[in-house]
Amino acid sequence: GAGVSQSPRYKVTKRGQDVALRCDPISGHVSLYWYRQALGQGPEFLTYFNYEAQQDKSGLPNDRFSAERPEGSISTLTIQRTEQRDSAMYRCASSISNGNTIYFGEGSWLTVV
Amino acid sequence: SQQGEEDPQALSIQEGENATMNCSYKTSINNLQWYRQNSGRGLVHLILIRSNEREKHSGRLRVTLDTSKKSSSLLITASRAADTASYFCAYQGGSEKLVFGKGMKLTVNP
Repeated sequence: GAGVSQSPRYKVTKRGQDVALRCDPISGHVSLYWYRQALGQGPEFLTYFNYEAQQDKSGLPNDRFSAERPEGSISTLTIQRTEQRDSAMYRCASSISNGNTIYFGEGSWLTVV
Repeated sequence: SQQGEEDPQALSIQEGENATMNCSYKTSINNLQWYRQNSGRGLVHLILIRSNEREKHSGRLRVTLDTSKKSSSLLITASRAADTASYFCAYQGGSEKLVFGKGMKLTVNP
């Protein structure tokens, strides 16, 4: 596609449920990033991939959060046993390669009730 | 903290005036990128400046980078009401991750 595509755009889930957020990066982009952004704050790094390899997951808050990119294209961020504090905007981004412009998707709003 | 820091945190100007936003960071960088965000919506990429560059222009935008002072500035000339947004600087250092500042709110009054 023309840009980074994320789904769902909005997700309301009950506490304790698992959620999966999907990211479809720009075609041909090697690097894929996940960020989380709270209202009024800057995006906070979660993890990134080069191709299918997860290069850095130091930003994942705890072991309820995981991400994969099995074929080096689409990525899924999974949050298990969601908690209210997980409510935020989750943003995916991609870049053709390291050191180049990083393009963000519109994000997925997650609300845990 | 590894975060970049924008300064000022909020700026209100009249249409037609210039707006300057500053960003400071603490580590050596490969590049620095500026983004705009309207009303909590998408992050739009504005300019990327590499560590060996000192200045870049794009339309009404001018970005400078001073690696000796670990700082960058974004100048918007002849501002318009549509420039009202939050602006973020973000840098890539030794790793590939992009580290964002907290952002700066610009309000351009018609």
